[in-house]
Amino acid sequence: NAGVTQTPKFQVLKTGQSMTLQCAQDMNHNSMYWYRQDPGMGLRLIYYSASEGTTDKGEVPNGYNVSRLNKREFSLRLESAAPSQTSVYFCASSDPDGRMNTEAFFGQGTRLTVV
Amino acid sequence: AQSVTQLDSQVPVFEEAPVELRCNYSSSVSVYLFWYVQYPNQGLQLLLKYLSGSTLVKGINGFEAEFNKSQTSFHLRKPSVHISDTAEYFCAVSASNTGNQFYFGTGTSLTVIP
Repeated sequence: NAGVTQTPKFQVLKTGQSMTLQCAQDMNHNSMYWYRQDPGMGLRLIYYSASEGTTDKGEVPNGYNVSRLNKREFSLRLESAAPSQTSVYFCASSDPDGRMNTEAFFGQGTRLTVV
Repeated sequence: AQSVTQLDSQVPVFEEAPVELRCNYSSSVSVYLFWYVQYPNQGLQLLLKYLSGSTLVKGINGFEAEFNKSQTSFHLRKPSVHISDTAEYFCAVSASNTGNQFYFGTGTSLTVIP
């Protein structure tokens, strides 16, 4: 049981480049999330998807887009990377079998540096 | 939206001493509370959770937390810490009026001193 899998683990981008962070979960969860983690700021929600086919903005969505490809996969895209997007990105999933407010399960993170 | 306040950004403690990491939240509705631990260069791992029932919750690695509704707090405690407890700890809240969103505090860095 792999849980939540994120790729890549590390990435260096030049300002203006684009990339997609991939996330997949094998726990049959309905809800999926993208967070960014910055020193002293905890985890901030970028986007989330309550169910397949739906996405909603979180606290810091500017500069990002997401796609809920199917129930398993939730990708995060940076169209034109900026140095302010240098961060550690975490994907998470939750809500097994339609139960609300159970815990979130996290991937190992993607460390992104924009130069 | 919910807010979560972790009052201490850094907590140094000697090995085998007790520790308390503080967490307060803002909500007037039913809440669900969580503590996560993050070891260096890893993802977040659930320590314990409060969904309902007993206000004293026991988790992994000897940690426990107490839900106090009147003080809107969910402090994490361990009676005797080990070197291996050195990590970042995050408090999180989810509420009945915010769907399935989780709100995190800014984290507390626990350093256990030999």
